[in-house]
Amino acid sequence: DVKVTQSSRYLVKRTGEKVFLECVQDMDHENMFWYRQDPGLGLRLIYFSYDVKMKEKGDIPEGYSVSREKKERFSLILESASTNQTSMYLCASRRDRDGTDTQYFGPGTRLTVL
Amino acid sequence: GDSVTQMEGPVTLSEEAFLTINCTYTATGYPSLFWYVQYPGEGLQLLLKATKADDKGSNKGFEATYRKETTSFHLEKGSVQVSDSAVYFCALSDLGNTGFQKLVFGTGTRLLVSP
Repeated sequence: DVKVTQSSRYLVKRTGEKVFLECVQDMDHENMFWYRQDPGLGLRLIYFSYDVKMKEKGDIPEGYSVSREKKERFSLILESASTNQTSMYLCASRRDRDGTDTQYFGPGTRLTVL
Repeated sequence: GDSVTQMEGPVTLSEEAFLTINCTYTATGYPSLFWYVQYPGEGLQLLLKATKADDKGSNKGFEATYRKETTSFHLEKGSVQVSDSAVYFCALSDLGNTGFQKLVFGTGTRLLVSP
């Protein structure tokens, strides 16, 4: 079974702090994704990566950056956290570029920015 | 761009009731369609999918048929259980302008099943 793990289930940070969210997948998937989930808005794509050191902006990249130095790990960085970044963050991975392939999700990190 | 519209929840049902969660989409091409489910405290997992018109996806008693003429992919189950209580997301694959297929999600519909 594919396993996608995220470094924290719950995180509380202060405004202005630099925040790192880590995601690791164990199935050698090429593609990895970061979403945020907010009530009434569903899932919105922040960034994705289709290969090591490659990244593409999603629909809402402002205020975020990412890093993919190794195939299994995809990090989301909030350079200076703000209260409007309080949300649930979900990481996902997928084997192929083909959109018919299944995306596997981690359990999520609930981030609160005070 | 492509988009997905789901019925608002929560949907509240008694055990063994029939379930329908409506999903319609807007797309310029012929996307693949998906239903993902999120159980309390967990990430999303694929429930079923359909990759072309008239395909029926099915899993765990749930079904959905890809209807191109009505641009719909409604989720149905004949007899729900308490364990089906979760949030259900309809999604489509969007090729976009990068040549990379991304998922576009609806807002989710919460299902609450009581004994």
